[in-house]
Amino acid sequence: GDSVTQMEGPVTLSEEAFLTINCTYTATGYPSLFWYVQYPGEGLQLLLKATKADDKGSNKGFEATYRKETTSFHLEKGSVQVSDSAVYFCALSADYGQNFVFGPGTRLSVLP
Amino acid sequence: NAGVTQTPKFQVLKTGQSMTLQCAQDMNHEYMSWYRQDPGMGLRLIHYSVGAGITDQGEVPNGYNVSRSTTEDFPLRLLSAAPSQTSVYFCASGHRGRSYNEQFFGPGTRLTVL
Repeated sequence: GDSVTQMEGPVTLSEEAFLTINCTYTATGYPSLFWYVQYPGEGLQLLLKATKADDKGSNKGFEATYRKETTSFHLEKGSVQVSDSAVYFCALSADYGQNFVFGPGTRLSVLP
Repeated sequence: NAGVTQTPKFQVLKTGQSMTLQCAQDMNHEYMSWYRQDPGMGLRLIHYSVGAGITDQGEVPNGYNVSRSTTEDFPLRLLSAAPSQTSVYFCASGHRGRSYNEQFFGPGTRLTVL
């Protein structure tokens, strides 16, 4: 079945450091790919998405590029802030919008 | 537009008790789902619905029932609570038909079963 693998956390960075969170997937067909973010005590909210190969999703300084050849969708940000501390989930949707598959999540802590 | 709402926010049950977690959305979404979130295990799909009157099982359906009598509401029932059901529960909704449609999440219900 479809699956998403993320790098294990937690990830701890200093403010203004560069962030990469790796995500790879296994899916039949051509999935859409998503990054969701969960701030403490809240539900998940969409951070960015990409719907086809070579698409780049971006939002709030975060970026991720859909790489079909490596089945990857790594999340990057050039300069993290303390307010970026959260759990980040990589996800895919390959069934006409039904049944998202989520990765286990990566907890990011940014220190001042 | 309230989005996806869930009640209650917190609940403590004793083993064997039953309860219903409520979920409602006002975005006219066809698709609704329930997930549980446990430490180190990400989100696991419990049940989902693609429209009123239609429900199906997800990855971890045992011990839970759902129904979908209206487009707006999708309650999750625990028939006889067990400590293994201690978790944070999220309801989500979205449009069907395209894989690029995002899901919108509620704020969650934190359930403890003693």
